[in-house]
Amino acid sequence: DTGVSQDPRHKITKRGQNVTFRCDPISEHNRLYWYRQTLGQGPEFLTYFQNEAQLEKSRLLSDRFSAERPKGSFSTLEIQRTEQGDSAMYLCASSRQPLAGLNEQYFGPGTRLTVT
Amino acid sequence: AQKITQTQPGMFVQEKEAVTLDCTYDTSDPSYGLFWYKQPSSGEMIFLIYQGSYDQQNATEGRYSLNFQKARKSANLVISASQLGDSAMYFCAMRYSGGGADGLTFGKGTHLIIQP
Repeated sequence: DTGVSQDPRHKITKRGQNVTFRCDPISEHNRLYWYRQTLGQGPEFLTYFQNEAQLEKSRLLSDRFSAERPKGSFSTLEIQRTEQGDSAMYLCASSRQPLAGLNEQYFGPGTRLTVT
Repeated sequence: AQKITQTQPGMFVQEKEAVTLDCTYDTSDPSYGLFWYKQPSSGEMIFLIYQGSYDQQNATEGRYSLNFQKARKSANLVISASQLGDSAMYFCAMRYSGGGADGLTFGKGTHLIIQP
């Protein structure tokens, strides 16, 4: 069973540059989530997809952030005009459609972004 | 709005002792799910255990059990017979429910260190 994969694992960029991250979920999972985790904090929810539809976006997702899941499989998260405050670990997770309440989310290894 | 509180920033425990990690939550929704995740220093989030708000019995998974006290809004994680490999960050999380929302709200975590 292949788990959730993310690419790249690390990204260093200069302030003002655009960056794009990719997430490949577990193949039979139709839900895909993006979270951001800063040092010393728990992950914060950003957005999620059911198949190709983006169903929810957090207030944390400013207009510089955009996420897509064009064919309902992999997803990309783009940050435009990066700021130093964007430095964080970006986590992707996937899950099946919840049944009877259980919605276990399987997380990928994350992409660590450093904005200099 | 949902909120998760973990009041123990760090804990030191002797190997083979039992550990209780505290978690309290706040929600006005009668239907919700509570999760515990482990995050080792490598960074990946590992699902440990789940408790649904309507579940009558406390959840158990091997050495992990969840002490669910609904009236007190607490969902403490109990690890029996701790091992050195249990050293990690532990996060309590709650799943949104209703209205199509599906993101997890995480607490700030507890850093558990198991000492030989």
